[in-house]
Amino acid sequence: QQQVKQSPQSLIVQKGGISIINCAYENTAFDYFPWYQQFPGKGPALLIAIRPDVSEKKEGRFTISFNKSAKQFSLHIMDSQPGDSATYFCAASSMIKAAGNKLTFGGGTRVLVKP
Amino acid sequence: GAGVSQSPSNKVTEKGKDVELRCDPISGHTALYWYRQSLGQGLEFLIYFQGNSAPDKSGLPSDRFSAERTGGSVSTLTIQRTQQEDSAVYLCASSYGLGIIGYTFGSGTRLTVV
Repeated sequence: QQQVKQSPQSLIVQKGGISIINCAYENTAFDYFPWYQQFPGKGPALLIAIRPDVSEKKEGRFTISFNKSAKQFSLHIMDSQPGDSATYFCAASSMIKAAGNKLTFGGGTRVLVKP
Repeated sequence: GAGVSQSPSNKVTEKGKDVELRCDPISGHTALYWYRQSLGQGLEFLIYFQGNSAPDKSGLPSDRFSAERTGGSVSTLTIQRTQQEDSAVYLCASSYGLGIIGYTFGSGTRLTVV
């Protein structure tokens, strides 16, 4: 059962453009939603995260939008740069101790920013 | 150490052989996780350790997979009688503990079963 669905699988954007990646989840127990960035040959690195008590969080050029009623969240990369070319993963977990902070990942989006 | 260290970085093995993958977490991190990333796919949870508690093995795909963590630090993931479908990148991550937001991944071990 895929609990976190991510789209699109790949994305090409011109330098300076906006990259938008969408995720939808099923488990209403999820209450922590991070995004990870992964470069080839490296492990994923935490980019930005949001809790469901806010609808938007911005860090530099990266913004997460969260819609609790629709069980959807998205990542917006503003003013995309060639260095942003990477694979992005959304994830979700439940922060209660019993859940063990295990992350459920989306399938990933490969982003290519053309100069 | 400064980051999560995994070894080897690459491993090619013959079908049916056993393999051991090693993870050195960040010093002081009490929680350790193993994930599997198949080609072009997202990450799949395998197992996690927290302190001296019994590990959560709920993600292990079969009884050919096992893991241990010695002294609350280094962890070894063992795959017995490897199959071609075991080919993937195995990622280890560590954090200060449960409920802590975000954890640090290593660069992974790319396992190829031929």
